[in-house]
Amino acid sequence: DAMVIQNPRYQVTQFGKPVTLSCSQTLNHNVMYWYQQKSSQAPKLLFHYYDKDFNNEADTPDNFQSRRPNTSFCFLDIRSPGLGDAAMYLCATSRGLANTDTQYFGPGTRLTVL
Amino acid sequence: QQPVQSPQAVILREGEDAVINCSSSKALYSVHWYRQKHGEAPVFLMILLKGGEQKGHEKISASFNEKKQQSSLYLTASQLSYSGTYFCGTSVSGTYKYIFGTGTRLKVLA
Repeated sequence: DAMVIQNPRYQVTQFGKPVTLSCSQTLNHNVMYWYQQKSSQAPKLLFHYYDKDFNNEADTPDNFQSRRPNTSFCFLDIRSPGLGDAAMYLCATSRGLANTDTQYFGPGTRLTVL
Repeated sequence: QQPVQSPQAVILREGEDAVINCSSSKALYSVHWYRQKHGEAPVFLMILLKGGEQKGHEKISASFNEKKQQSSLYLTASQLSYSGTYFCGTSVSGTYKYIFGTGTRLKVLA
């Protein structure tokens, strides 16, 4: 089945220790997104890639970086995690950026910062 | 800029109906509806593209009033499986930014 996969599902890191979250997709979609979702809040878009074109949201902290080495994979790097970065991180894909394009979400990675 | 949903939370008995509203201060060109269960990813329910469009999905349907810049999700004869948080989502006009509404927590009791 075509799908969006995130690894790991749970990640524990220490304050200030870099961490990388992984997302892969078998849908062959052009767009990949990273969202941050804190408890009882809506997902908040951090950035997205359209193919290799990277689009950063204006309010995304510099601490968050992303890489997309190929169509299938996208990584979220948190350079120096703070306690406030503890959250669920959701990866999503869509065929394009039109308002008709549906986003398909992975299961998420829950990040804990100690 | 974030669409506002109402109510914030609702508790139902099995078989009861509910309406969830999504209102935007900006023009809406499309509205997506998602349901998210606790600890899981949002799951796409439906998309509405035109003003006045109504769509149905089993006992879950939605309407889109472009002029009022709002959409409503209708859940009829609710089932236990309907429990979760419902989000509307839309693209910010003139950009490719996607934004979710504030969310509505729905709990269905037996």
